[in-house]
Amino acid sequence: NAGVMQNPRHLVRRRGQEARLRCSPMKGHSHVYWYRQLPEEGLKFMVYLQKENIIDESGMPKERFSAEFPKEGPSILRIQQVVRGDSAAYFCASSPQADNEQFFGPGTRLTVL
Amino acid sequence: AQKITQTQPGMFVQEKEAVTLDCTYDTSDPSYGLFWYKQPSSGEMIFLIYQGSYDQQNATEGRYSLNFQKARKSANLVISASQLGDSAMYFCAMRGQNTGNQFYFGTGTSLTVIP
Repeated sequence: NAGVMQNPRHLVRRRGQEARLRCSPMKGHSHVYWYRQLPEEGLKFMVYLQKENIIDESGMPKERFSAEFPKEGPSILRIQQVVRGDSAAYFCASSPQADNEQFFGPGTRLTVL
Repeated sequence: AQKITQTQPGMFVQEKEAVTLDCTYDTSDPSYGLFWYKQPSSGEMIFLIYQGSYDQQNATEGRYSLNFQKARKSANLVISASQLGDSAMYFCAMRGQNTGNQFYFGTGTSLTVIP
């Protein structure tokens, strides 16, 4: 049973470009969570999704950031018009039920030049 | 509001010795879970141990044990017989019953095991 998969592992973008981060949850998991880790900090919650639904986006910046988890395919975290401050590691986690342990992916390290 | 505090930015321990990593938390939820994760230099987050707020006994997983003191709101991680491979960042995290399913993480402790 493969773990949570994220790609790409490293992503470099110039200011103003778009970044698309993908997360494939573990098999049988329908709950996905995105977290951001700024340098020298702990992970901060961004958004919680179930298939086709956003359940909690209280940690997501109001502008430029969006997330989806379609019926088919991976969850996508999209950052439009990236700025240097978006440089961080973005982690995805999944769980089979809402109150179960979350399994983390390896993260995507976004660098904005 | 939920808050996790890790006051030790860096710790050193001699190989084969035990080390305690501190974690205190603040929550108004009657039921919550406490977690520890290890983040090696490669960057992935590795789950280590879980403690439920109503668990009567302290959690243990191999060389990891959680010293849970509910009245003091502390959930310290104890690593026994440290190994060189234990060198990593360690994060304490909490999830509350009434605050959705998001985790709240501390700022982490960097552990270095000295041979």
